[in-house]
Amino acid sequence: AQSVTQLGSHVSVSEGALVLLRCNYSSSVPPYLFWYVQYPNQGLQLLLKYTTGATLVKGINGFEAEFKKSETSFHLTKPSAHMSDAAEYFCAVSEGGGSNYKLTFGKGTLLTVNP
Amino acid sequence: NAGVTQTPKFQVLKTGQSMTLQCAQDMNHEYMSWYRQDPGMGLRLIHYSVGAGITDQGEVPNGYNVSRSTTEDFPLRLLSAAPSQTSVYFCASRGLAGITTDTQYFGPGTRLTVL
Repeated sequence: AQSVTQLGSHVSVSEGALVLLRCNYSSSVPPYLFWYVQYPNQGLQLLLKYTTGATLVKGINGFEAEFKKSETSFHLTKPSAHMSDAAEYFCAVSEGGGSNYKLTFGKGTLLTVNP
Repeated sequence: NAGVTQTPKFQVLKTGQSMTLQCAQDMNHEYMSWYRQDPGMGLRLIHYSVGAGITDQGEVPNGYNVSRSTTEDFPLRLLSAAPSQTSVYFCASRGLAGITTDTQYFGPGTRLTVL
């Protein structure tokens, strides 16, 4: 069975500082990995995804993530935090594409950006 | 193109009442799903469907029913609401073919309170 662990339910950074949100997964087959962002009282919006190919993927709003198979990780980073990045971030995994459509989510990391 | 829409946005029920949460998508997506979001729990899959007439259970199906009579609509029914069903409910959809098949698109959510 697939699972996702997000280290740190709450991360606080200063504006302009590096953002690092950690995600580790378990999967019995090559995974598809996703990061979603949720702004207050809104639905989930896709930030970026890894399916196959290049292991460093770039997403919207300056975020990127690197798939590291040996570490079973898919950490999300952004070089310089902006106040507008304050939101909750969810890592999710599905066990490959094809007929497996189900997403398993981590419990989320709330990012706070201090002025 | 409205994407995924959900109604109502807010609902308060008394214990034992029934109701239906509506979900519709206009992207001709075959796959649709319902999640519930609770603090510190991330999103958990309730039910999903891979096409009209086909539904299956997710991680937390008890107390919920679904049906899929059309590609566009995927309602979630609570037959006898309980306080434990107080949550935010999200509907999502994705295609099964084409370049965007890996991505699930989420609705804005329904915030349900059961007293």
